[in-house]
Amino acid sequence: DAMVIQNPRYQVTQFGKPVTLSCSQTLNHNVMYWYQQKSSQAPKLLFHYYDKDFNNEADTPDNFQSRRPNTSFCFLDIRSPGLGDAAMYLCATVGSATDTQYFGPGTRLTVL
Amino acid sequence: AQKITQTQPGMFVQEKEAVTLDCTYDTSDQSYGLFWYKQPSSGEMIFLIYQGSYDEQNATEGRYSLNFQKARKSANLVISASQLGDSAMYFCAMREGGDAGGTSYGKLTFGQGTILTVHP
Repeated sequence: DAMVIQNPRYQVTQFGKPVTLSCSQTLNHNVMYWYQQKSSQAPKLLFHYYDKDFNNEADTPDNFQSRRPNTSFCFLDIRSPGLGDAAMYLCATVGSATDTQYFGPGTRLTVL
Repeated sequence: AQKITQTQPGMFVQEKEAVTLDCTYDTSDQSYGLFWYKQPSSGEMIFLIYQGSYDEQNATEGRYSLNFQKARKSANLVISASQLGDSAMYFCAMREGGDAGGTSYGKLTFGQGTILTVHP
């Protein structure tokens, strides 16, 4: 059974139209991460939550926000998507600092 | 400076042969972890193998083994008996230190990846 679930797998939005990507996990892990991965590049960390403690990477644009209403769910909100935000968005979780990060299948975002 | 370096943008291997994917890293931490992930064209990131900095034995997981040379700061992935399904992008990643909360909790730094193509 899938442990880290991302919905939808494919998302198409229009330039400037807000979009929300979701991630859920059945592992009861404390930490959840959101990564952005552009074509043929390494994943880039946007932010992470340790429980409800939100940590933003210094170079994450303000256009990207996140919510974690409970342990299981985490959302990525893109307030005004630009063409440059088209990418794969990966969610990952970890139970402790020394554990392996497990990734969801990703959401591929297209911006028209 | 790059913390994780994968010098091979692309690698080709014949089916059933072994292949080594290179990874070097740079850290001043004593405690760190090294990971390899596989990313097929579908996009999901699949965990393959882990090596802790204090582990004396090289990690192995089925056909995957990690050739850990701490003094050289290298953590090469060896895939034995390649299969067509092994064709994918492979990422080496490092987790440095890590403490409860804060801005670096379990954070992974990824290399640029190596595209492996397995020929029949």
